[in-house]
Amino acid sequence: ILNVEQSPQSLHVQEGDSTNFTCSFPSSNFYALHWYRWETAKSPEALFVMTLNGDEKKKGRISATLNTKEGYSYLYIKGSQPEDSATYLCASYSGGYQKVTFGIGTKLQVIP
Amino acid sequence: SQTIHQWPATLVQPVGSPLSLECTVEGTSNPNLYWYRQAAGRGLQLLFYSVGIGQISSEVPQNLSASRPQDRQFILSSKKLLLSDSGFYLCAWRRQGRLHTIYFGEGSWLTVV
Repeated sequence: ILNVEQSPQSLHVQEGDSTNFTCSFPSSNFYALHWYRWETAKSPEALFVMTLNGDEKKKGRISATLNTKEGYSYLYIKGSQPEDSATYLCASYSGGYQKVTFGIGTKLQVIP
Repeated sequence: SQTIHQWPATLVQPVGSPLSLECTVEGTSNPNLYWYRQAAGRGLQLLFYSVGIGQISSEVPQNLSASRPQDRQFILSSKKLLLSDSGFYLCAWRRQGRLHTIYFGEGSWLTVV
């Protein structure tokens, strides 16, 4: 993996469904992985900061895991709600912590 | 507390005209500064980042340039805009260190006509 890749690019789920999506990143020279939530007409906001292999973070119904050896992270949303509709971005930190590269994002739409 | 301001919020520019987007950060010193662009249907593309005054790293060859004349000021420029420069531009900052997240400005919508 040379760049930060996210899948799927878009996702439609019914209210109440649980869902997850993937971020793949270069495993060499890894420093940190961050997840952001980006709502339309707003600026992206940070969800999680993850640095250690095996890290698990949780905020309410949203959680994330990290595998630095194989270069991927999963974001999970349990019991999706319409207000969860947003684009979820992951960002890989490299270059001595300075360079921050984002994936294309996963656009989630929760249907009431 | 720290704040980031970016302007103008929207602009419509003709092809071949110059561009200047400005960004300032308040309440911190020696931040890392970033310019990102979201083109239609695409994610956030890193354009430039800076770790200090006068230190600019460019990620994508293009007709854009960036400058950091002061510690907390970051400017995105172009001498001649192309249609492909249209998009949503975001300035961002973060403290140095891997645990610090990025904070984004309000964004600037650029339409080149």
